[in-house]
Amino acid sequence: DAGITQSPRHKVTETGTPVTLRCHQTENHRYMYWYRQDPGHGLRLIHYSYGVKDTDKGEVSDGYSVSRSKTEDFLLTLESATSSQTSVYFCAISEFWDRVSRGSYEQYFGPGTRLTVT
Amino acid sequence: EDQVTQSPEALRLQEGESSSLNCSYTVSGLRGLFWYRQDPGKGPEFLFTLYSAGEEKEKERLKATLTKKESFLHITAPKPEDSATYLCASVGGSYIPTFGRGTSLIVHP
Repeated sequence: DAGITQSPRHKVTETGTPVTLRCHQTENHRYMYWYRQDPGHGLRLIHYSYGVKDTDKGEVSDGYSVSRSKTEDFLLTLESATSSQTSVYFCAISEFWDRVSRGSYEQYFGPGTRLTVT
Repeated sequence: EDQVTQSPEALRLQEGESSSLNCSYTVSGLRGLFWYRQDPGKGPEFLFTLYSAGEEKEKERLKATLTKKESFLHITAPKPEDSATYLCASVGGSYIPTFGRGTSLIVHP
C-alpha cells in the first residue's frame, strides 16, 4: 500500500470555525490532490499541488485553501466551515505528470477524513 | 469539458454470474483511462490503466477493455468479496482526472 496518511480521520466542528486537514505521504510523489466525496456527486477535485508551494484550484475550490511547504505534506484548510462542507475528504498522490510520454497518472488514495459541520 | 458517465449505478449479481460495468467518456486527448475499486469507509484503490483503444488489462476475475468512447470492466464468475464500488476516471489534455460517480456492485453468495 502507498504510504499515505490523513489526519484527523474523523472530526466534528461547528459552523464558522476554521478546520485544517492534513495529508502526509512517504512515497516522495510530486503530485498531491484533495477530493471530497458526496453521495450523488462522486469524487470532486478541490485543489491539487504539482510541487512544493505550487498549487492550483479544482472544480470545487470555493471556501477551501491549501498549502504545501514540504514534499510530504499537503494541508487543506476550511477558513470558516459551513454545513455544505460536511463530507468525506480524500487525499491522493501520483508519481509524475509527463507531458511528453503517457507517464504514470494513476492515483493512490489515503483512508479519508469524515468531516461533520454542525 | 471532460465527462465520465458510469452505468449502471448499482448492480446485484449472484456468485458466479458474470457481467460488465460500463464507463463512457468524453475527453480531449486521452492520456489514460483508470479503474479503481472502493470498499465502504475506505479510499479508492487503483486497479488498471488503459491508454489506447483496443488495450486490455486483466487481474484475477477482472478484465478492463477500452474503445474510443467507452471502457468496460468485465467481471467473470464474481465472488462476494468482489462487492465494492468501482470507479472510472479519465485524464485528458488538462491533466486533471475526471471521475465518474461509480457502480455499486453487490455479489450475493
